[in-house]
Amino acid sequence: GAVVSQHPSWVICKSGTSVKIECRSLDFQATTMFWYRQFPKQSLMLMATSNEGSKATYEQGVEKDKFLINHASLTLSTLTVTSAHPEDSSFYICSARERGSNEKLFFGSGTQLSVL
Amino acid sequence: QKEVEQNSGPLSVPEGAIASLNCTYSDRGSQSFFWYRQYSGKSPELIMSIYSNGDKEDGRFTAQLNKASQYVSLLIRDSQPSDSATYLCAVNFNGNNRLAFGKGNQVVVIP
Repeated sequence: GAVVSQHPSWVICKSGTSVKIECRSLDFQATTMFWYRQFPKQSLMLMATSNEGSKATYEQGVEKDKFLINHASLTLSTLTVTSAHPEDSSFYICSARERGSNEKLFFGSGTQLSVL
Repeated sequence: QKEVEQNSGPLSVPEGAIASLNCTYSDRGSQSFFWYRQYSGKSPELIMSIYSNGDKEDGRFTAQLNKASQYVSLLIRDSQPSDSATYLCAVNFNGNNRLAFGKGNQVVVIP
């Protein structure tokens, strides 16, 4: 199957700092990427939909100024958590849909963010 | 009503038995349905997709879809300890560009 690379796999940062997470589709072009957040023992919660070359679409309740998404190319999307706080500590997962695929999503390996 | 519901609690099955998972969804117009497996601390892995009514088999896994009743199920035959994980049901709603996930069902296969 298609491969989605997500980096870093874990990060620990101080409160108030910003953290950037990268998501790359390695062997296919991803016109759409999705960013999810998952708290312990909870399901995946969609944060935003990222489309190449256009602004991201955020889900209700997700602050676009806090979670900056950039989808600069067909293979790369980034999520920046700005001014992170302890409540932002979570498992962040990106996923990508291959161009022309029938809605199958391929997930990155996830990023465990811990804000001290 | 939640979009995708997986209500049963942790499921413990002995090795070699059949594990059965159920999922219901709210949007009658949904067209695409998926089962993902997620190990603790890892990202989800797609194990089955199903688009039409009936059964779809892939190895030890069988997905069943009933659009009239708005449910999709997953059977795991000859369960192995390596099948111990959380299984997430996902639905792509009609005309929507996103997948909605259920909260997941934890499966524990006892050797």
